[in-house]
Amino acid sequence: KNEVEQSPQNLTAQEGEFITINCSYSVGISALHWLQQHPGGGIVSLFMLSSGKKKHGRLIATINIQEKHSSLHITASHPRDSAVYICAVVPETSGSRLTFGEGTQLTVNP
Amino acid sequence: DSGVTQTPKHLITATGQRVTLRCSPRSGDLSVYWYQQSLDQGLQFLIQYYNGEERAKGNILERFSAQQFPDLHSELNLSSLELGDSALYFCASSVTVLFNSGANVLTFGAGSRLTVL
Repeated sequence: KNEVEQSPQNLTAQEGEFITINCSYSVGISALHWLQQHPGGGIVSLFMLSSGKKKHGRLIATINIQEKHSSLHITASHPRDSAVYICAVVPETSGSRLTFGEGTQLTVNP
Repeated sequence: DSGVTQTPKHLITATGQRVTLRCSPRSGDLSVYWYQQSLDQGLQFLIQYYNGEERAKGNILERFSAQQFPDLHSELNLSSLELGDSALYFCASSVTVLFNSGANVLTFGAGSRLTVL
């Protein structure tokens, strides 16, 4: 079993829909990252969380440390949001290495 | 442009060969991380350097080595290449060692796509 599990693996939505991507992990962590990987391959760090909730534009990320769970929400989705979203954790035993989930492929249709 | 520069963007080579991937971190960042993304194994952490010194090692093969130079750029050397080494290799940088700090942003390069034939 992977230390970081994401669901769903694939998600197709219509433009304007509210989207949720989930991430569960099995180890104690000091932080969690949400990354976005565009079709061209480039990776952008969206959020880093150690507690609570963060918002940036139409993106909202939440984390529940006790339940070992995080969610990434996209409000009013748009075709340009189509990308792979990757959850990655920083285990408490490692100050610097990331452990990655397998990613969620999001496709938003116009 | 993220500020992290990786070269080359694409590289095609043959089995048994050796290649060097280069990374220049974002200005002011002292820590460099290397990651491998293959189709069957997803993203994996390879190695981290901080201000010229190795700080953490992940799933890096013995055929691979890396270093960070005094000007903070880093090189990942891949030798005795096998078909399975075909992957995207990403470099990322951050200001300090512990990028779980809120002030410490992790910035990725665009990646180097290696194809081994």
